Amino acid sequence: AQSVAQPEDQVNVAEGNPLTVKCTYSVSGNPYLFWYVQYPNRGLQFLLKYITGDNLVKGSYGFEAEFNKSQTSFHLKKPSALVSDSALYFCAVRDLGTNAGKSTFGDGTTLTVKP
Amino acid sequence: SQTIHQWPATLVQPVGSPLSLECTVEGTSNPNLYWYRQAAGRGLQLLFYSVGIGQISSEVPQNLSASRPQDRQFILSSKKLLLSDSGFYLCAWSRMNTEAFFGQGTRLTVV
Repeated sequence: AQSVAQPEDQVNVAEGNPLTVKCTYSVSGNPYLFWYVQYPNRGLQFLLKYITGDNLVKGSYGFEAEFNKSQTSFHLKKPSALVSDSALYFCAVRDLGTNAGKSTFGDGTTLTVKP
Repeated sequence: SQTIHQWPATLVQPVGSPLSLECTVEGTSNPNLYWYRQAAGRGLQLLFYSVGIGQISSEVPQNLSASRPQDRQFILSSKKLLLSDSGFYLCAWSRMNTEAFFGQGTRLTVV
């Protein structure tokens, strides 16, 4: 079984400050981890992924995430937040051994960046 | 490049009426296809997935069904809608080693 937890429903930061959106996961095998962003009434857009290699992954729009195997975490970060980063963020995990490439999504974290 | 089309964008249907939502993918072959439902702007619930034509797996018991009549076509259906079927429905595709690519979603309101 695989699962994802996003412990914060809401994250508020001021524009220009660093941001972190937290994610922890559980899989029986090796994880394949993703972050997606969703704007109102739109589909999800892919931001970045980790499968293997460097624990620090860089993605779209200046976002990055750090894979920590011992803490089973994959937190999303950005050094300087923009108002336009305000959106709903989803972490997802896929067990590399599963069929059909099914991903399990967290419940989402709403990021609000204030000017 | 690959694209995914999902329609309609919004739909208002009376209780007891049928439903058909369609999703098509372009620019790739033999994709894995998924239908998700998102309630109240929060988490995604996987409803159905398909690894090939005619192959449908249901993740949760419900009033909905899915079909894949062609390689790149995925249809979500219901014979009689319930109020509880209201929500935001998302179609997506992926391969085993790629991220998922989502359609723009259908906002279904059952009245």
